[in-house]
Formats: sequence, structure tokens, C-alpha cells
Amino acid sequence: DAGVIQSPRHEVTEMGQEVTLRCKPISGHNSLFWYRQTMMRGLELLIYFNNNVPIDDSGMPEDRFSAKMPNASFSTLKIQPSEPRDSAVYFCASRVTGGGYTFGSGTRLTVV
Amino acid sequence: AQRVTQPEKLLSVFKGAPVELKCNYSYSGSPELFWYVQYSRQRLQLLLRHISRESIKGFTADLNKGETSFHLKKPFAQEEDSAMYYCALNSGGSNYKLTFGKGTLLTVNP
Repeated sequence: DAGVIQSPRHEVTEMGQEVTLRCKPISGHNSLFWYRQTMMRGLELLIYFNNNVPIDDSGMPEDRFSAKMPNASFSTLKIQPSEPRDSAVYFCASRVTGGGYTFGSGTRLTVV
Repeated sequence: AQRVTQPEKLLSVFKGAPVELKCNYSYSGSPELFWYVQYSRQRLQLLLRHISRESIKGFTADLNKGETSFHLKKPFAQEEDSAMYYCALNSGGSNYKLTFGKGTLLTVNP
């Protein structure tokens, strides 16, 4: 099992550009979570899905952020347009009902 | 509202010394609490969950509902314990949504 796979590992982009982060959950896991990690705010839950359906997106900071889960094996987090304050590490995690979270390695985003 | 507080951003101890990382929570329901560890630039890994009452890598944590605390303890710290530690609360009930504290960076000095 390769675990939760995130891509890219690092992303550097210019302010105003669109950024798409990708996540492949563990096969069979039915919940998927997107978190943002910063020094100032720690780990913040942005959005989570159960069975591909968004359950709670109250953590999404602004309309510039959007997330999709078109099928059980893929999710994207998009920022358009990106801003320097979006610079952070974005983690994806998945779980199966009754189990714990498994985190991906994260995407380190730098917006210049 | 649910909240997890880790009052110490940084904690430094010497090898062999006892260590305690503090965690307090606020939650109206029956709490389910966890400790996660993140070694340098790696993914978060589950260290402990209170319902299993286990000891991992010598760490233990006891849920104290009266004090709304879930402090992480280890009697003799090792250098390889140096990492970021996050306390987390399942604040989503059956939807299982984890709310994390801001983390404590533990440094174990030789």
C-alpha cells in the first residue's frame, strides 16, 4: 500500500496564478480531508468529504479556494488566484469508517 | 465550540529527563482524543488514541475529563523523540472530523 499520495511535493508559483493540488487516498478509504499547516495557525481543516460528497467546507478561507472529489480515488484542491498568504503546507488525509487518519506527505506551496 | 489548546509552542528537555506535553480541550460531547507526531518535514503519524489506552514509544496519555486534559508523558526522553506533537479532538462525532491544537515542538538535547 503506497499510502495517501499527494502531488506535487513542492510548488512555487507567482501571485495571481492558478494552483491545483492533488490527492489520491488509500484504496477503500471513504473519507478524505484537506488540511493547511502554517507556523502561525497550525493545522486547519479546510474541507472534508465522505463517500466523495463534501460534508463540511466551513474551513475554506475564501472563494478563491475550491475542492472536488470526482471519484473515490482522486481529489483536488484549487486556488485561483493564488496569493502570497496562501503559502503553506497542504496535507491530505483519508480514513475508512472505524479507522484512524492516514496523512499524505503534503504539498509545500510557495506563492511569490 | 470545540477547541484544542496546547499552551507550549516549544519545549526543550535533556535526554533521559521526563517530558510532559500539555493538551487541554473544550468539547460539549463525549471527547475522543489523539496525539499525532510529525518528525522533521515528514507526514503526521498517529501516536496515541485515548480509547486504546496503549503506550507507544514509551509515551502515554490519560484523559482527565474533570480537568479536560489529555497530557502526553514519557518518563525518559530520547533524542529521537524530537519532533512536533499535535493533540487532536474528534469534533465531528460520527463524521469524525479532527480538530488539532497548534502543536508543541519538542527538542531533546543530548
